[in-house]
Amino acid sequence: LAKTTQPISMDSYEGQEVNITCSHNNIATNDYITWYQQFPSQGPRFIIQGYKTKVTNEVASLFIPADRKSSTLSLPRVSLSDTAVYYCLVGEDTDKLIFGTGTRLQVFP
Amino acid sequence: NAGVTQTPKFQVLKTGQSMTLQCAQDMNHEYMSWYRQDPGMGLRLIHYSVGAGITDQGEVPNGYNVSRSTTEDFPLRLLSAAPSQTSVYFCASSYSEFTEHSGNTIYFGEGSWLTVV
Repeated sequence: LAKTTQPISMDSYEGQEVNITCSHNNIATNDYITWYQQFPSQGPRFIIQGYKTKVTNEVASLFIPADRKSSTLSLPRVSLSDTAVYYCLVGEDTDKLIFGTGTRLQVFP
Repeated sequence: NAGVTQTPKFQVLKTGQSMTLQCAQDMNHEYMSWYRQDPGMGLRLIHYSVGAGITDQGEVPNGYNVSRSTTEDFPLRLLSAAPSQTSVYFCASSYSEFTEHSGNTIYFGEGSWLTVV
């Protein structure tokens, strides 16, 4: 199983770009990288998924270097509503995905 | 489109009581699962199912039973509640058991807060 390591917490201010890096040194060939967001008292919500290079959607960008041993979730111009816990998951099988403690992002006005 | 629906939202049980957390999805997803989340912790997988009639254990299955008689429903049963089962429970579903399927998002319910006293 690909273990992931991400910062426990991060602080930012409104309007700034936030980059959360996840380390996954033993990622396997068939593993995909997925990020979820969880607000208090809610279930996690899918943000973005990628395999290699860069993926962008209306919410975030995901940067994956060639060796795939890490990935960076980029949130452009965060707002207060982006305050949440962000989980980095790596795996091929859904039942093997591990939600660790995630990164707690606090956005200040 | 309701997505993943869990009931009840809140429940208080006495030690030794049994109960069932209901979960239903209307997206025709094959894969369904139950997680628990303790304060300040990540989600831990309890049981999962890759299709009707098929269930399997996750990371923390003890004290819980599941069944999957239909594609839509995946109830979680607490056999004899213990204070250690006080937690928030999330039901989830996805199109496939494999993340490689493009857009294989896991959809989560709103959660069920369970307190065992």
